[in-house]
Amino acid sequence: DTAVSQTPKYLVTQMGNDKSIKCEQNLGHDTMYWYKQDSKKFLKIMFSYNNKELIINETVPNRFSPKSPDKAHLNLHINSLELGDSAVYFCASSPLLATGQDEAFFGQGTRLTVV
Amino acid sequence: AQSVTQLGSHVSVSEGALVLLRCNYSSSVPPYLFWYVQYPNQGLQLLLKYTTGATLVKGINGFEAEFKKSETSFHLTKPSAHMSDAAEYFCAVSGGGGFKTIFGAGTRLFVKA
Repeated sequence: DTAVSQTPKYLVTQMGNDKSIKCEQNLGHDTMYWYKQDSKKFLKIMFSYNNKELIINETVPNRFSPKSPDKAHLNLHINSLELGDSAVYFCASSPLLATGQDEAFFGQGTRLTVV
Repeated sequence: AQSVTQLGSHVSVSEGALVLLRCNYSSSVPPYLFWYVQYPNQGLQLLLKYTTGATLVKGINGFEAEFKKSETSFHLTKPSAHMSDAAEYFCAVSGGGGFKTIFGAGTRLFVKA
């Protein structure tokens, strides 16, 4: 029974295409995140939602648009894909946002390759 | 602002040897500190965390870490390495304004037979 699940696990697409990654958590958490992990394993937060509201929006190109239909789901849509978007994208969730003392629970990741 | 520095992008130990992964942090507020492990082709999972209280924190798989405020460090140790410990390890800090968790660059642990 997967706690944080992402689909698809692998995504290969051509430059200029539009693609979406879906994420669902069954932990009852209020907060969800998208992280990007580059080829050097560096992990950077992109977005955070708390109860469907956008809380954190890092300096990310506006080709990236998150959407949270409910607090258990956070999807990531990417328009006009570029070579530099190739990375592993992780969805995560945590119980509370405000205190910062709660750990994040990560999905398995989506490896996006833009060719 | 907060930051995390992991000393050594790669660490190699022999099976049965001590594992020591170093992490130093910077924080203008009392930090919450985390160690996560990432196995190949998987997401990160929590090894242990420090919030308040006892400065020596024990985690899963025999790992522990000690919060040393005077040294701004949160090094991860394990007395005896197993082959299954080979993975990427991330130190992280949160607790400051902005509600973000900041991750270090990661340390890849290799375990030799």
